Amino acid sequence: DQQVKQNSPSLSVQEGRISILNCDYTNSMFDYFLWYKKYPAEGPTFLISISSIKDKNEDGRFTVFLNKSAKHLSLHIVPSQPGDSAVYFCAASVGQGAQKLVFGQGTRLTINP
Amino acid sequence: GAVVSQHPSWVICKSGTSVKIECRSLDFQATTMFWYRQFPKQSLMLMATSNEGSKATYEQGVEKDKFLINHASLTLSTLTVTSAHPEDSSFYICSARRGTYNEQFFGPGTRLTVL
Repeated sequence: DQQVKQNSPSLSVQEGRISILNCDYTNSMFDYFLWYKKYPAEGPTFLISISSIKDKNEDGRFTVFLNKSAKHLSLHIVPSQPGDSAVYFCAASVGQGAQKLVFGQGTRLTINP
Repeated sequence: GAVVSQHPSWVICKSGTSVKIECRSLDFQATTMFWYRQFPKQSLMLMATSNEGSKATYEQGVEKDKFLINHASLTLSTLTVTSAHPEDSSFYICSARRGTYNEQFFGPGTRLTVL
């Protein structure tokens, strides 16, 4: 049972444009969400997070939006840069203690010059 | 800050042997460490959660006798794959939680290939 789903395995965006990565979840108990970026043969690095009490969190070029009623979150990257090319994972947990994280399958983002 | 290292970064072993992977938090104390496994083009799957000084908590379907986890100090956790088989070949990643921070900090991963 895939509780966190990233339905787009890949996404290609032109440099300078907006990248939008989507994530859906099924477990209504999830109340804390995170986005990680991963390069090949490396561990994921934390990007941004959002608590269910908010619907938006912004950090520089990265903004995460949360729609609790739709059980959907998205990561916006503006403007997209070549260094953003990586695999992006969304993750969810029950509580902000970051104990058990449930990851989506990942979306490979490619930024074209 | 918040650097997590893993050793080795890759290992090749023969079927039936045991392999130990180390996970260290270099500049902080990690009361909780996590071990994940990732198959190609798939998500990270949590294998177990280890707390310093206590037994690890394994996820459903993970054999605790096959994947031995030890968290002997606040900066070191080890995963030992015992009697490795080719189907154990995978990318193993550890992470560490720092204090009350919400996010986990991940190591670079270990690529295990069992021949």
